[in-house]
Amino acid sequence: DQQVKQNSPSLSVQEGRISILNCDYTNSMFDYFLWYKKYPAEGPTFLISISSIKDKNEDGRFTVFLNKSAKHLSLHIVPSQPGDSAVYFCAATSHFITQGGSEKLVFGKGTKLTVNP
Amino acid sequence: DADVTQTPRNRITKTGKRIMLECSQTKGHDRMYWYRQDPGLGLRLIYYSFDVKDINKGEISDGYSVSRQAQAKFSLSLESAIPNQTALYFCATSDFKGRDGYTFGSGTRLTVV
Repeated sequence: DQQVKQNSPSLSVQEGRISILNCDYTNSMFDYFLWYKKYPAEGPTFLISISSIKDKNEDGRFTVFLNKSAKHLSLHIVPSQPGDSAVYFCAATSHFITQGGSEKLVFGKGTKLTVNP
Repeated sequence: DADVTQTPRNRITKTGKRIMLECSQTKGHDRMYWYRQDPGLGLRLIYYSFDVKDINKGEISDGYSVSRQAQAKFSLSLESAIPNQTALYFCATSDFKGRDGYTFGSGTRLTVV
């Protein structure tokens, strides 16, 4: 049973526009969420995270929104750039707040973002 | 040098052969993981280790084994490789309190023919 779902395998946007990548989760114990970015021939790299005590976290062009009641989070990239073209993985972990740390991450299947010039 | 180094980067092997993928890290993290990535299936956990004496199976451990030789080294073995083990393999490390989750290696592309 997939606990973290990224239902869009791919997304294509024009340079300068907004990219919105979505992620849904089923485990109500998840309290910390991360986004990773992966280029071909490289390992995933950390992009941005959010704790369940927040509903928004922003870092430059990247913003993650968390809707706990809907068990949904989204990553917004504004403005999108061709260099943002990559696979984006959503990940989640439980008890991060109560334990002060993370056990294992659960990953979604990824969304391939293509930003067209 | 990379924080997490995987060797080899690419490998082609024959069905039935034993193969070892190696991972070493300079992050000083206690926790290490092996994942495989397949198109459309994302990252799936094979094995993980929270310290040198701790080894745990992940969701797809059948056909694989691991060895944690030291805090910095975690190797993955395919005892008898089969074609459906053709995939991209990633090693990762983490610090329990780290807010950025895992640090991944660059991956090993394994092809079993």
